[in-house]
Amino acid sequence: QKEVEQNSGPLSVPEGAIASLNCTYSDRGSQSFFWYRQYSGKSPELIMFIYSNGDKEDGRFTAQLNKASQYVSLLIRDSQPSDSATYLCAVIRKGGSQGNLIFGKGTKLSVKP
Amino acid sequence: EAGVTQFPSHSVIEKGQTVTLRCDPISGHDNLYWYRRVMGKEIKFLLHFVKESKQDESGMPNNRFLAERTGGTYSTLKVQPAELEDSGVYFCASSLLTGGMYEQYFGPGTRLTVT
Repeated sequence: QKEVEQNSGPLSVPEGAIASLNCTYSDRGSQSFFWYRQYSGKSPELIMFIYSNGDKEDGRFTAQLNKASQYVSLLIRDSQPSDSATYLCAVIRKGGSQGNLIFGKGTKLSVKP
Repeated sequence: EAGVTQFPSHSVIEKGQTVTLRCDPISGHDNLYWYRRVMGKEIKFLLHFVKESKQDESGMPNNRFLAERTGGTYSTLKVQPAELEDSGVYFCASSLLTGGMYEQYFGPGTRLTVT
């Protein structure tokens, strides 16, 4: 079992819709959770981080964390074609190196005009 | 403020040769990380510096890889001798310690091709 799992997609949504991206993790001790956006051929760009159970909103983005169920999700409201990218989920385990981000393989999102 | 920079952007070398990758972190970031993504796989951690000290090098694949960060500023990652399986994109990231949390900012990566 992979430590961080994501559906590879592609996830296709129409412009203006809500895109829902999901991520599960295997280590119950994971404590910090990050969402990165990566355009093709570019570097990962940090868009959200969440450390506590519940929701965290930033503009059109909402991160949701449920530690009991070991999943973290990213909602993108009013999706735009410019949101089309691969979204990477990453976690840091409790007790591990605070620098050791463990990534999923990413979900490719396509927003159709 | 300048972001994380990496040099070169792309390197093509033959098996057995040596390559040195460079990373300049965001100014003031004491934490510097190296990651690698090989084709079809997820991004994998290689190592973590705090200033000039190696905090965690558990992800380094073998002793052909040598990372340094003299003076606690830029870092280099040397691969010697390179093997075919070393091909991939090498990312550098940096972070501040902010309230005990570590938001890492990535550079553009160096695409290494070993032929």
